[in-house]
Amino acid sequence: EAQVTQNPRYLITVTGKKLTVTCSQNMNHEYMSWYRQDPGLGLRQIYYSMNVEVTDKGDVPEGYKVSRKEKRNFPLILESPSPNQTSLYFCAARDVSYNEQFFGPGTRLTVL
Amino acid sequence: GESVGLHLPTLSVQEGDNSIINCAYSNSASDYFIWYKQESGKGPQFIIDIRSNMDKRQGQRVTVLLNKTVKHLSLQIAATQPGDSAVYFCAEKDTGFQKLVFGTGTRLLVSP
Repeated sequence: EAQVTQNPRYLITVTGKKLTVTCSQNMNHEYMSWYRQDPGLGLRQIYYSMNVEVTDKGDVPEGYKVSRKEKRNFPLILESPSPNQTSLYFCAARDVSYNEQFFGPGTRLTVL
Repeated sequence: GESVGLHLPTLSVQEGDNSIINCAYSNSASDYFIWYKQESGKGPQFIIDIRSNMDKRQGQRVTVLLNKTVKHLSLQIAATQPGDSAVYFCAEKDTGFQKLVFGTGTRLLVSP
């Protein structure tokens, strides 16, 4: 079954405490991306990756880092989280030859 | 800049009615459009897509219409069921780019 998994699903943390949200896909897709979803703003792309070791900024990259050392994994790193990063985060994966994009189940992050 | 928007934030229908969810886009270079469904607590799920060389595409109980002249996209759901209650997003992709641009979403509420 085609799947994108994220961990953790829920996280409450404090300002400044580094955290990582993992994302893994089992479809061997080249393209992966991270989105945040906020009320009234829809899905906004944070970072994306076209393939291993190839990453680029999306629309709202400030305060986030990513890495793509393996094709299946695309972790999202918040070095020093702040309350304005409280949001619902989604990882997604897609084959660059096909347009259907698969989303993970989401990670709800609260930064106090 | 490019933008994808929706006419109505909430649409309420009775079970069995047909639903129409609308979406306006501004990027005339977009060549691919997708509709996603997002149920509460879940990630967006692909419903149906359409390429810019088509005006209409049908799936199971769903039809997407594309009017490139007025840059308008619609999703029609036939015989709407309570299980169709969700937020629906349209998204567009520009030719030559991998990024999807999402609208803010329309909430569909189906009453029994």
